[in-house]
Amino acid sequence: EAQVTQNPRYLITVTGKKLTVTCSQNMNHEYMSWYRQDPGLGLRQIYYSMNVEVTDKGDVPEGYKVSRKEKRNFPLILESPSPNQTSLYFCASTPGTGRQETQYFGPGTRLLVL
Amino acid sequence: SQQGEEDPQALSIQEGENATMNCSYKTSINNLQWYRQNSGRGLVHLILIRSNEREKHSGRLRVTLDTSKKSSSLLITASRAADTASYFCATGFGSARQLTFGSGTQLTVLP
Repeated sequence: EAQVTQNPRYLITVTGKKLTVTCSQNMNHEYMSWYRQDPGLGLRQIYYSMNVEVTDKGDVPEGYKVSRKEKRNFPLILESPSPNQTSLYFCASTPGTGRQETQYFGPGTRLLVL
Repeated sequence: SQQGEEDPQALSIQEGENATMNCSYKTSINNLQWYRQNSGRGLVHLILIRSNEREKHSGRLRVTLDTSKKSSSLLITASRAADTASYFCATGFGSARQLTFGSGTQLTVLP
């Protein structure tokens, strides 16, 4: 089944404790991105990647890192999480480099930073 | 500010009625997409309409695009309780490297 998976789905952590949220897609998509969703603010893009080893900042990159060592994986790293990073996070992928084309979303990761 | 803004923010209707949601945007677009999100879940793509198209249909969904008014509407006909969800429009514009999402319309379909 074609899909985007994320792990973990739910995570409670404390301020300053490094964490990684994994994202994997099995559709051979080149473009992948991370969003955060907060009430009243819609989806805001954190980082995106056009292909392996090619990443760039989105609208709200502060406090986040990403890497793209393999085409299928695009982990999101919070080196020192803070309470304002409490949010619902989504990974998404798009075929080719069609960054404005249809996006396929993962199920989401709900993060609470205490 | 956000490129796409949905209206209304919330909509409550009876099962069987039609639901109409609108999206307005500010700059010229390449395409406009509608997504659905069930509570706490990932977004699911519904339909994409390009800037040179005026109307598209997919099952019970009808999307219109008026580039002169910089607006789009999503019509769901004969709504069902399972249509209860948030609906987002997303725009691709210029050479932007991403879609821009609105803040969504929460649709509740009452049985």
